[in-house]
Amino acid sequence: AQKVTQAQTEISVVEKEDVTLDCVYETRDTTYYLFWYKQPPSGELVFLIRRNSFDEQNEISGRYSWNFQKSTSSFNFTITASQVVDSAVYFCALSEAKGDRDDKIIFGKGTRLHILP
Amino acid sequence: KAGVTQTPRYLIKTRGQQVTLSCSPISGHRSVSWYQQTPGQGLQFLFEYFSETQRNKGNFPGRFSGRQFSNSRSEMNVSTLELGDSALYLCASSFFTANNEQFFGPGTRLTVL
Repeated sequence: AQKVTQAQTEISVVEKEDVTLDCVYETRDTTYYLFWYKQPPSGELVFLIRRNSFDEQNEISGRYSWNFQKSTSSFNFTITASQVVDSAVYFCALSEAKGDRDDKIIFGKGTRLHILP
Repeated sequence: KAGVTQTPRYLIKTRGQQVTLSCSPISGHRSVSWYQQTPGQGLQFLFEYFSETQRNKGNFPGRFSGRQFSNSRSEMNVSTLELGDSALYLCASSFFTANNEQFFGPGTRLTVL
């Protein structure tokens, strides 16, 4: 069965510090997608990244970077030089891509990130 | 380009009633997914519609249903409301499948008394 674990319920860091949000997943499929979404205080989820299971390249987008390691079933997200605007709840998600009616997206419980000025 | 819109934004119902929520996707998007968000259970997938057909369904009872119209607008219905149905209901649209980038609406906050 699919499972996504975000062990960090809440994290607080001081502005300009780096912070890493952990995500560990479980799946029996060899083909799947991993996602990160951000939910700011306004409530609307914002897509950050999608990674498929065959692409283990790390990705960097500005201050954001993602480390995908199939060997440890992890897809961690790092914010470098954090800013107050990064304060939000961050969700990691997994979708098995079998292409049938059982495909569904499973979200982790989320990590609430507080960036303190 | 207008984003995903959901109506109403807030709703208060009593147990046993039914409710219909509406979602208008981004123009050109054909996939609409619905999610329930609660403090206890987090974000849970309800179902996905594509071209007026339900493509995937989460583990929710039959009281939760949905449909999609030819213009891709979608509605979800919850019948015989229970207190535990109080939640933020989020709609998301994507061009082809929920496995692509999804754009979320602001949600409908449903309170069941």
